[in-house]
Amino acid sequence: SSELTQDPAVSVALGQTVRITCQGDSLRSFYASWYQQKPGQAPVLVIYRKNNRPSGIPDRFSGSSSGNTASLTITGAQAEDEADYYCSSRDSSGNGYVFGIGTKVTVL
Amino acid sequence: EVQLVQSGAEVKKPGESLKISCKASGYNFTGYWIDWVRQMPGKGLEWMGIIYPGDSDTRYSPSFQGQVTISVDKSTSTAYLQWSSLKASDTAMYYCARHREQCSSTSCWGYFDYWGQGTLVTVSS
Repeated sequence: SSELTQDPAVSVALGQTVRITCQGDSLRSFYASWYQQKPGQAPVLVIYRKNNRPSGIPDRFSGSSSGNTASLTITGAQAEDEADYYCSSRDSSGNGYVFGIGTKVTVL
Repeated sequence: EVQLVQSGAEVKKPGESLKISCKASGYNFTGYWIDWVRQMPGKGLEWMGIIYPGDSDTRYSPSFQGQVTISVDKSTSTAYLQWSSLKASDTAMYYCARHREQCSSTSCWGYFDYWGQGTLVTVSS
């Protein structure tokens, strides 16, 4: 089982807000990063260091962190945001990395 | 422009060996770690290991230690992932990714900022 826990699936109405959470002990010491993966495509970094967006990522994507929980929020979800979202951080040993199981976001 | 271009899809039989590649361009190859990530069919992402091209320092996930070998060729800016004896359970998409790691006085953060397009490995008799 993954050391980072994510809900398997969430749905959001078009234009509404959805929050995806990621829980794990390592998040108390290390920031999470978030990746979007659409079917048949490689993952894409959307958030790093809690709430930093790479160039080209829309500002409707934001991140936050508190205690052992990191969150990714999509404010005003668009149809193109339908994808799997994975969190990642250091593992409990601090020597490697781990991904959450992924959250499938469906935009209704 | 940073690019990671992976080698093409492979179909192999159990017991065969395989080496797939990830060619980097657009940045100083020896200055950034490279990760390998597995994605089995219909499943999530799994971190396999990491290598620093500057000195070939390599770390593996316990799940993959002894199962695969990660290496680099600095002269061609290429990272490799290889198997000596494939199993059907190695059937998966494999991604390479460039690693970024930074620390402040209170915390550290690592992330994968550029990804290859993936190499599909199919192992079947």
